[in-house]
Amino acid sequence: SAVISQKPSRDICQRGTSLTIQCQVDSQVTMMFWYRQQPGQSLTLIATANQGSEATYESGFVIDKFPISRPNLTFSTLTVSNMSPEDSSIYLCSVDRTNYGYTFGSGTRLTVV
Amino acid sequence: DAKTTQPPSMDCAEGRAANLPCNHSTISGNEYVYWYRQIHSQGPQYIIHGLKNNETNEMASLIITEDRKSSTLILPHATLRDTAVYYCIVRGYNTNAGKSTFGDGTTLTVKP
Repeated sequence: SAVISQKPSRDICQRGTSLTIQCQVDSQVTMMFWYRQQPGQSLTLIATANQGSEATYESGFVIDKFPISRPNLTFSTLTVSNMSPEDSSIYLCSVDRTNYGYTFGSGTRLTVV
Repeated sequence: DAKTTQPPSMDCAEGRAANLPCNHSTISGNEYVYWYRQIHSQGPQYIIHGLKNNETNEMASLIITEDRKSSTLILPHATLRDTAVYYCIVRGYNTNAGKSTFGDGTTLTVKP
């Protein structure tokens, strides 16, 4: 299965600031997905990122708050902008591989103070 | 994508088989059943998937009912390290099948 390097693994940020999370995949993939997992809850899809086009956001998530870049087929970033304590979550990227479905990064644990 | 329903929690004794059910009554003909698990807020890990036949790998077995409306993940000899949240999702097989919805999953607690 694909190997995904996600960083940072964790961060503590001041409210009002922004954090950019990076995901690097060891091979080319068409789609990359960004998820949020709030404490004690399941995964919620934020957006789908295709290379060369704008990301597609799910209901409740907007580009101004969660801008995404997808400059090539192996890399993507998610920025959490103007953070508030409610943004404290684990953020996960994933890719789609036929034999294994989704492969996930190790996650970024974000705490906003 | 079809939605799934799982019990919120289950317990299992160490060394015994853990049987985790999943209902997916609205699954369509070309959708597969995938199982993942998430250990202590790490990224979810793939376990197994299947279309209509029962499947087995080194981690688990997957039993899918004939009408495909439900399935059971079997961990044949559960260990304490199998304590995790287990997610069942349904999706197309193609890599362009797109997004899938993760339900609340089942929290499996393996007890000594």
